[in-house]
Amino acid sequence: DTGVSQDPRHKITKRGQNVTFRCDPISEHNRLYWYRQTLGQGPEFLTYFQNEAQLEKSRLLSDRFSAERPKGSFSTLEIQRTEQGDSAMYLCASSSSGDEQFFGPGTRLTVL
Amino acid sequence: DAKTTQPTSMDCAEGRAANLPCNHSTISGNEYVYWYRQIHSQGPQYIIHGLKNNETNEMASLIITEDRKSSTLILPHATLRDTAVYYCIVRAFSGGYNKLIFGAGTRLAVHP
Repeated sequence: DTGVSQDPRHKITKRGQNVTFRCDPISEHNRLYWYRQTLGQGPEFLTYFQNEAQLEKSRLLSDRFSAERPKGSFSTLEIQRTEQGDSAMYLCASSSSGDEQFFGPGTRLTVL
Repeated sequence: DAKTTQPTSMDCAEGRAANLPCNHSTISGNEYVYWYRQIHSQGPQYIIHGLKNNETNEMASLIITEDRKSSTLILPHATLRDTAVYYCIVRAFSGGYNKLIFGAGTRLAVHP
């Protein structure tokens, strides 16, 4: 399967803990996006990478959130000191020079 | 990016055509209409996009009105697997960088 993969698929954590998610894009895609989706809503843009450079960050990405794409391949999204409001589906997508974004299955985070 | 208006939900009988409308009355001349769908517990999936002309691919047809203020996504022979949330998104294409702004979408239920 050469699609976008995300790990883990589900994460349950206690409030105040740190969590890290991983996204592996389609191998030749140089563009990578993170989105967040809460129940009943459409996905919301969080951040964008072109190769290893983080070129845009949404205001939704507070100081507790950090994303990296160190070698322009996989990406990680870390949330520090999690809050219950962080509970959501975190989606990763990748694209090349075309119009279509390919989404992964998402990581569902539950903060207790 | 222009805002879109979609019905909250629609029903369709299996085997019949599903016609999903989208209003985008403030669309600019350089903005495209994109459609994505999201099947339950999966990431969004690209369907089709267009600028002025009607478009067709193996998944669907996109009909854009002459004034470009509205469009219709047509699934010609809906199946149960087409049950999903369908998102209409309007944005300018900018050389591969393609941040998507999702609304709440239309929840399509295909029934036997």
